Amino acid sequence: QVELVESGGGVVQPGRSLRLSCAASGFTFSSYGMHWVRQAPGKGLEWVAVIWHDGDNKYYADSVKGRLTISRDNSKNTLYLQMNSLRAEDTAVYYCARASATVVIDNWGQGTLVTVSS
Amino acid sequence: DIQMTQSPSSLSASVGDRVTITCRASQGISNYLAWFQQKPGKAPTSLIYAASSLQSGVPSKFSGSGSGTDFTLTISSLQPEDFATYYCQQYNSYPFTFGPGTKVDIK
Repeated sequence: QVELVESGGGVVQPGRSLRLSCAASGFTFSSYGMHWVRQAPGKGLEWVAVIWHDGDNKYYADSVKGRLTISRDNSKNTLYLQMNSLRAEDTAVYYCARASATVVIDNWGQGTLVTVSS
Repeated sequence: DIQMTQSPSSLSASVGDRVTITCRASQGISNYLAWFQQKPGKAPTSLIYAASSLQSGVPSKFSGSGSGTDFTLTISSLQPEDFATYYCQQYNSYPFTFGPGTKVDIK
């Protein structure tokens, strides 16, 4: 079955960087696009970014463009989110999610918490 | 960007009730609309895509309809495991956007 396991979350100071990882198993990772979605404490879901199966196309939410970068390593079945110049408002649980053939999300990871605080 | 709204923001219902949640897009999105369920402290799960198609393994008590700007999610007979927050999301154009959510709790 599809399994997505995020890691790399933690407490980080404003302005610093962090890299999240999402290890995928149970499917042919290189055939699927992947998303990052985040949820601030007590708030709703916010779509962050998507990367196509081959890594050639990436799209971002306006709120993270230029600071967060999505990437993938198909040889390692792993999705990444490089987070630079972090702000307090980036504090959230970050979920990785698989995209179906039509780019819609069909499976979710369990999430990893990022807290940006001095 | 396309803005998504949901109504109501919350509702109270009883086991066995039929529940309908509405989602509206600020511009036409054809049928590129998905619904997700999230229980407290848990990751979301995927319910519906293409406005009305059930994801694999989702029970048939869930149904979706709509096209263009107006969409609905219906739960035919509410069960205890259905008490959760429901989100719609458009994937017609980037950036993809979620609605603010509808919390369904026990009356």
